[in-house]
Amino acid sequence: AQRVTQPEKLLSVFKGAPVELKCNYSYSGSPELFWYVQYSRQRLQLLLRHISRESIKGFTADLNKGETSFHLKKPFAQEEDSAMYYCALRGSGYSTLTFGKGTMLLVSP
Amino acid sequence: GAGVSQSPSNKVTEKGKDVELRCDPISGHTALYWYRQRLGQGLEFLIYFQGNSAPDKSGLPSDRFSAERTGESVSTLTIQRTQQEDSAVYLCASSLARTFTDTQYFGPGTRLTVL
Repeated sequence: AQRVTQPEKLLSVFKGAPVELKCNYSYSGSPELFWYVQYSRQRLQLLLRHISRESIKGFTADLNKGETSFHLKKPFAQEEDSAMYYCALRGSGYSTLTFGKGTMLLVSP
Repeated sequence: GAGVSQSPSNKVTEKGKDVELRCDPISGHTALYWYRQRLGQGLEFLIYFQGNSAPDKSGLPSDRFSAERTGESVSTLTIQRTQQEDSAVYLCASSLARTFTDTQYFGPGTRLTVL
């Protein structure tokens, strides 16, 4: 079975502070990991995926197979980063995604 | 271009009634997915369509839930004899599905409230 755990329901930081949104997963094969974001009154959208190894809006995430983690990081948070963030996993050979429960990020001025 | 659309945006119904939720995927997207998000929970996978066949129905929570898709177009999720625990936001997503790595694009969701 595959599982995604996001231990924090809410993360509150001040503008300019570093941010780390935690994601741990359970999967026996080689997964593909994603971060999705939902801004207020907008639809869920892909933020980044581990196979792309890219930085989007200053966010990065590295897949750590030893720790089965895919934490999302940003060195300096901005108020516009406030949103709900979901970590998701896709198992090899599958199209469907398994989502974590999400972490609400609040960035205060 | 137009994204994934869903209708209605909100649906309030009485316990025991049937409801139909509609999803219009992005044109040309062969794969379509339904998810459910209950309050305080993550997204739960319900069913996946490739074209008009459903290779994975494993997430449908009971036989009261069914879905169909016309060709590579509209999909309808039907919930019969709704229960209060069916209250949730129902999200639809579509992808090109050329490979398993294609990005899923989400609709705005339908918020279902069962009284």
